[in-house]
Amino acid sequence: DVKVTQSSRYLVKRTGEKVFLECVQDMDHENMFWYRQDPGLGLRLIYFSYDVKMKEKGDIPEGYSVSREKKERFSLILESASTNQTSMYLCASSQSRGGQPQHFGDGTRLSIL
Amino acid sequence: EDQVTQSPEALRLQEGESSSLNCSYTVSGLRGLFWYRQDPGKGPEFLFTLYSAGEEKEKERLKATLTKKESFLHITAPKPEDSATYLCAVRPPSGSRLTFGEGTQLTVNP
Repeated sequence: DVKVTQSSRYLVKRTGEKVFLECVQDMDHENMFWYRQDPGLGLRLIYFSYDVKMKEKGDIPEGYSVSREKKERFSLILESASTNQTSMYLCASSQSRGGQPQHFGDGTRLSIL
Repeated sequence: EDQVTQSPEALRLQEGESSSLNCSYTVSGLRGLFWYRQDPGKGPEFLFTLYSAGEEKEKERLKATLTKKESFLHITAPKPEDSATYLCAVRPPSGSRLTFGEGTQLTVNP
């Protein structure tokens, strides 16, 4: 079974803090993704990576950055957290070869106070 | 631009009352249509992949079907434990990104 593990289920931070969200997958997948999910807005792609040290902007990259130093690990960084970044953050991974599904972690519920 | 529209937004069923969820999509060349189940406070759980019109996949009380413009998730004799949000997503020919619909929230009452 594919396992995508996010480091925290719940996280509370303060405005202006630098926040790190970590994601690890154990299936040797090439692709990794960060989404946020908000009521009424669905899943929105923040960043993705198709290889180590490679990254691509998604639909809402502003205020975020990412790091992929190892194939199994993909980190999302909130450079200076703001209250509008309070959300559920979901990490996913997939194989590159055609038509493979993305597999998701259980999410991090992040609150910025 | 790829688009996915799911209907209805919410559906309430009685236990045993069969129904279908709809996923309409617009994509320039489909490389896969995916169904997921999401429970409150958890990440989406992969259910099915469909690749071409006419294809069907089944798992317990769920059956997914695909045409050139839409997919249906049929739920036969649902149970309360089938209550969840069901998400549909499509993958275009190039790249690994998915476009997700906003989901159908299914509630099955005992």
